[in-house]
Amino acid sequence: TQLLEQSPQFLSIQEGENLTVYCNSSSVFSSLQWYRQEPGEGPVLLVTVVTGGEVKKLKRLTFQFGDARKDSSLHITAAQTGDTGLYLCAGGATTDSWGKLQFGAGTQVVVTP
Amino acid sequence: SAVISQKPSRDICQRGTSLTIQCQVDSQVTMMFWYRQQPGQSLTLIATANQGSEATYESGFVIDKFPISRPNLTFSTLTVSNMSPEDSSIYLCSVAQGKNGYTFGSGTRLTVV
Repeated sequence: TQLLEQSPQFLSIQEGENLTVYCNSSSVFSSLQWYRQEPGEGPVLLVTVVTGGEVKKLKRLTFQFGDARKDSSLHITAAQTGDTGLYLCAGGATTDSWGKLQFGAGTQVVVTP
Repeated sequence: SAVISQKPSRDICQRGTSLTIQCQVDSQVTMMFWYRQQPGQSLTLIATANQGSEATYESGFVIDKFPISRPNLTFSTLTVSNMSPEDSSIYLCSVAQGKNGYTFGSGTRLTVV
């Protein structure tokens, strides 16, 4: 089993501050995805990264895939209360690019006014 | 991306009984997956629902406890059998959207009393 470790487990910040969430593994992934989950809902895909070193931006969110495709980070600039949620990273195995995903334990982000 | 309708959204069940969860997708999809998310934790894959053949279960999950049906390419059910309080969890179905990640249903919050 390929394990994904997320850090921190919990993050509480005020509106306007920046935050970074990390996702690390000892295994190589063909792709890595980030999801956000709000209470009572299923996870919603934010981004997929597939190339080592890739950086993707989604408004105030910046996602980076490590050069070796073993780690990723999510950076939020000027956080808003709407960014509150459980952030999950998930990796696809090298030989099964769109089948089963391995999920990290998640980072609970709370943004207060 | 596909839209998934999952029901029921929540239920409270007596121990020893069974609950069947349904997922309807608005388009034909090859692979559907069932996950469990225990309170405050990440997603654990229960099984892959294959159309026209038996589901493929992950380690720790068995067909007698979690029978799955997949009668066509747009529908699947998961039954949680002979429930105990330890089965209290959120159950989620999802479909693979190629390298664009998964789309999830909104989940079924199950409480066993």
